[in-house]
Amino acid sequence: GQQLNQSPQSMFIQEGEDVSMNCTSSSIFNTWLWYKQDPGEGPVLLIALYKAGELTSNGRLTAQFGITRKDSFLNISASIPSDVGIYFCAGPIFNRDDKIIFGKGTRLHILP
Amino acid sequence: DAGVIQSPRHEVTEMGQEVTLRCKPISGHDYLFWYRQTMMRGLELLIYFNNNVPIDDSGMPEDRFSAKMPNASFSTLKIQPSEPRDSAVYFCASSSGPETQYFGPGTRLLVL
Repeated sequence: GQQLNQSPQSMFIQEGEDVSMNCTSSSIFNTWLWYKQDPGEGPVLLIALYKAGELTSNGRLTAQFGITRKDSFLNISASIPSDVGIYFCAGPIFNRDDKIIFGKGTRLHILP
Repeated sequence: DAGVIQSPRHEVTEMGQEVTLRCKPISGHDYLFWYRQTMMRGLELLIYFNNNVPIDDSGMPEDRFSAKMPNASFSTLKIQPSEPRDSAVYFCASSSGPETQYFGPGTRLLVL
């Protein structure tokens, strides 16, 4: 079935650094979603992408819908302590727009 | 709005006991999703409802798991009998469409 592969699985960075993470699939997605889960909380939608090549920003976050429609990227600029958490990519299952699947997440740790 | 409400927030029980998790979705949302999150398997969709009707329960691991949505403002996920491998964080999410899902804070279940 469709799967989303996220990399890296975890990252340890210094405060102030930029962060890049990606999500790939063997299948085409028509929508890419990026969620963030703070420690001890449920995931929250950060950015939604609907068109191949689309680049969308939300504050210091920028996400891109890959041209092939099989990948997406999330960048965080000038990281701050509250960026710590798990970042999930997600997308609707082919021909099942009412059901989305999630990647396993990228865990972001920020070193003091 | 208070957001999605889940109870209890934490549950510790012994193997063989019945566990009932509860969820109150955001008013006006007609989709309700139950997820399970573990380190090994990530975020897995167990079952979802549209307008109180179960649409897809293919993610329910086995017959020990059951979910109901008797009305638009309440859903339960029941595990009977519980087993140690059921230990996980269980999330409820609601939405007016499948993409922008609003997650509750989760129920942390530990089965001893």
